[in-house]
Amino acid sequence: GEDVEQSLFLSVREGDSSVINCTYTDSSSTYLYWYKQEPGAGLQLLTYIFSNMDMKQDQRLTVLLNKKDKHLSLRIADTQTGDSAIYFCAETTGANNLFFGTGTRLTVIP
Amino acid sequence: DTEVTQTPKHLVMGMTNKKSLKCEQHMGHRAMYWYKQKAKKPPELMFVYSYEKLSINESVPSRFSPECPNSSLLNLHLHALQPEDSALYLCASSQDRGTEQFFGPGTRLTVL
Repeated sequence: GEDVEQSLFLSVREGDSSVINCTYTDSSSTYLYWYKQEPGAGLQLLTYIFSNMDMKQDQRLTVLLNKKDKHLSLRIADTQTGDSAIYFCAETTGANNLFFGTGTRLTVIP
Repeated sequence: DTEVTQTPKHLVMGMTNKKSLKCEQHMGHRAMYWYKQKAKKPPELMFVYSYEKLSINESVPSRFSPECPNSSLLNLHLHALQPEDSALYLCASSQDRGTEQFFGPGTRLTVL
C-alpha cells in the first residue's frame, strides 16, 4: 500500500533556502506533486514532476526526484514569511488516485 | 475561470440535520473529487466522479451521499452525521483521472 513520509516540521530564517523532503513507496507513480496549504485554506498546487524526470525548476521552486531511492524534495529559494504553510507531497497511485504525504509545517522566522 | 468554488465556507449541524455541501468548477474538467481532512492530517479521498459517474467510493459511510448533477457541479449530501465527522471537506477537479488536481477552499464542518 501507499506510505508517503515527510518530516513534520521545518524552521528557516527569512531569505534562506528551505528543503522539504518526501519519501514514497509506489514505484509505479507517474506524477509526483507538491501542494501548499495555508491555515484554514484549501490546497494550492505548487508544482509537479513526471516520474521520468530528475529535476524541475519553476522560479523559486526546484523539485528533485531520485527514483531509485523513491525520494522527492522541494527547495524554496529566498524563503519569505508568506511561504509559511504546510507542504504536502503527493503521488498518483496505480488507480490514478492522489495519495498525500503526512505534510511538513514550514515556519519562516523573520 | 480557473478556480474551484465551495459553499458554504463553514457549516455547523446537529446529528439529526440534513445538509449539503456544494462544489463548482468551470474549467471543463471531467473528474471531480471529495476529500475529508482532519486537523493536522493529510486529505483522504472519499469519492471520485469521472464523466459524471461515480467511479470510486472509498468505503465511506452511507450518511455521506455524493451527487454530480452535471459536469460542473458536485454535491455532498449529509445526513445523521456523528461528531467525529467534523473536518474540512475539500473538493477538487482535474482534466481527467490521473492529471493534476485543483482544490477548492473547503467547507469547515462541525457536527454537534
